[in-house]
Amino acid sequence: GAVVSQHPSWVICKSGTSVKIECRSLDFQATTMFWYRQFPKQSLMLMATSNEGSKATYEQGVEKDKFLINHASLTLSTLTVTSAHPEDSSFYICSATPIGPGSRADTQYFGPGTRLTVL
Amino acid sequence: RKEVEQDPGPFNVPEGATVAFNCTYSNSASQSFFWYRQDCRKEPKLLMSVYSSGNEDGRFTAQLNRASQYISLLIRDSKLSDSATYLCVVSLNNDMRFGAGTRLTVKP
Repeated sequence: GAVVSQHPSWVICKSGTSVKIECRSLDFQATTMFWYRQFPKQSLMLMATSNEGSKATYEQGVEKDKFLINHASLTLSTLTVTSAHPEDSSFYICSATPIGPGSRADTQYFGPGTRLTVL
Repeated sequence: RKEVEQDPGPFNVPEGATVAFNCTYSNSASQSFFWYRQDCRKEPKLLMSVYSSGNEDGRFTAQLNRASQYISLLIRDSKLSDSATYLCVVSLNNDMRFGAGTRLTVKP
């Protein structure tokens, strides 16, 4: 149980285009999902916290107009990188915290990540 | 100062060796502590939670010292399959902060 999927797993795009990444919890519901970015040989950096039915909370230094987050249901959150540039190339990982009986509020299940390369 | 600091390594050890990783965190209000394992180009996977009393899971032992804001992970009888990057994670109100990770390579 507790499987999180991401789509696509990798994407290559031209500079200036927008890329949408989906994060789905397959066998549980999550009111909160998290989006992280990881550059090579660096730690995961939290970009934003995605809340179902409300606006996402962005970390300091993350442009909300560039990284659009939508969390329209309890099993799906999307991250859209708008007008992507080469410096946005990174490994984007989402995670989700299950809700319901027996769930731990501090447990996050990670998706397999999406590798974005902007040419 | 980084919120979570780890020695990046790399640690190169022979099979069967015992290896220990350390981690320090800056926020004394942190509530939950974890060790995650991340293989190259993969997502992090939970290895174990860390409790104040210390906890063990097979060959893995984790310790937490709240007074010193210090977490450790001990791997005994290391296997080739233990080769990975080990991430120290500290959480407050479900806000997780990751260390940069310690790279371990176990060699035959």
